[in-house]
Amino acid sequence: QVQLQESGPGLVKSSETLSLTCTVSGGSISSYYWNWIRKPPGKGLEWIGYIYYSGSTNYNPSLKSRVTISVDSSKNQISLNLSSVTAADTALYYCAREALRGAWFDPWGQGTLVTVSS
Amino acid sequence: QSVLTQPPSVSGAPGQRVTISCTGSSSNIGAGYDVHWYQQLPGTAPKLLIYGNSNRPSGVPDRFSGSQSGTSASLAITGLQGEDEADYYCQSYDSSLSGSVFGGGTKLTVL
Repeated sequence: QVQLQESGPGLVKSSETLSLTCTVSGGSISSYYWNWIRKPPGKGLEWIGYIYYSGSTNYNPSLKSRVTISVDSSKNQISLNLSSVTAADTALYYCAREALRGAWFDPWGQGTLVTVSS
Repeated sequence: QSVLTQPPSVSGAPGQRVTISCTGSSSNIGAGYDVHWYQQLPGTAPKLLIYGNSNRPSGVPDRFSGSQSGTSASLAITGLQGEDEADYYCQSYDSSLSGSVFGGGTKLTVL
């Protein structure tokens, strides 16, 4: 079955850019929406944005000015860049697959913790 | 402040029934967009529990059920077990944001 694995630096300095990669194994990226979702400590889940396999994107308006999501179909990877980070961006970051717009997220990656330091 | 509103916590004794509410608005649940539910056990990723308001993925016990009416949805858990102690999140689509929205999460404690 399809498995997702997030990877990237666990520590990012304030004002710099957070960069994460989600590697998809056991299936193709094609015909799905690939989402990034985060969970700050002690808070709930927050949708960051998605990329369709063809390259179209949509981002959470609250993060839109700082987020870029891209896809590398040859590597079955989805990337997240979040610029000008602050302590408020400290969170567990997850990637998740969505079959249709407005559908559910399944499966999810195990998540990767990113801490923003000053 | 989450777009979908859930109670921060609920509790129940083993064997009892609990419900978790998820309240939205006319741009998400009230607009007819489906509600999905996730269970997050400590230290693990969220797991799909209910999709399309009331459907259970393969492997999810029928103790878990979902419903939706108007601008709200509910998750019911019957025959509570200690292993059900987790955080539960609802999710839907919001037309004004053109994106997915989550509830703030509900912590279930089994007494």
